[in-house]
Amino acid sequence: EVQLVESGGGLVQPGGSLRLSCAASGFTFSSYAMHWVRQAPGKGLEYVSAISSNGGSTYYANSVKGRFTISRDNSKNTLYLQMGSLRAEDMAVYYCARDRTGYPLDAFDIWGQGTMVTVSS
Amino acid sequence: EIVLTQSPGTLSLSPGERATLSCRASQSVSSSYLAWYQQKPGQAPRLLIYGASSRATGIPDRFSGSGSGTDFTLTISRLEPEDFAVYYCQQYGSFRWTFGQGTKVEIK
Repeated sequence: EVQLVESGGGLVQPGGSLRLSCAASGFTFSSYAMHWVRQAPGKGLEYVSAISSNGGSTYYANSVKGRFTISRDNSKNTLYLQMGSLRAEDMAVYYCARDRTGYPLDAFDIWGQGTMVTVSS
Repeated sequence: EIVLTQSPGTLSLSPGERATLSCRASQSVSSSYLAWYQQKPGQAPRLLIYGASSRATGIPDRFSGSGSGTDFTLTISRLEPEDFAVYYCQQYGSFRWTFGQGTKVEIK
């Protein structure tokens, strides 16, 4: 079964850091670009970041640029999002999603169940 | 950044009725790089349509997408009980990705 499972969410203080993971199974992870998308409570979807299949190209929304870092380990079939200088407005459910292609140029056909990040003192 | 505006915000319909959802872009969406997603409460989004009009794997043919340039439409020909949800459009061209604010399809 094709599956993405996020982990690493939790409660963090403003200014703190957190690393999210997304474990992939059921498909050749190294062949697909990957993305992070977030959703604040009761709100819509917001794009966060993308990475190409080999990890050589990365992209960020302006709202997280310089604070978040996307990476992947194709030997472990895992996607990461290192989040720093966290703010109240970063509080959301974070989803990882698979691009339909190896380069981040297509729609997202597989989504994880999401992991909640709470930023509060 | 391309801004996507979805209308209406909420659509109240009965099962069996036709639903027409609109997504308008602030500038032309290149190569029809426009997708539609369905999201139910407590669940992750699900891809319905990509490339403006291509159905994703396993999506019933009552869902169809159309449009180009700046105006796109998702049509659900006959609403089934499981179709009541929030729908988002997304553009994904030129290494910039944005979502519309969503349209909620609710039972009348």
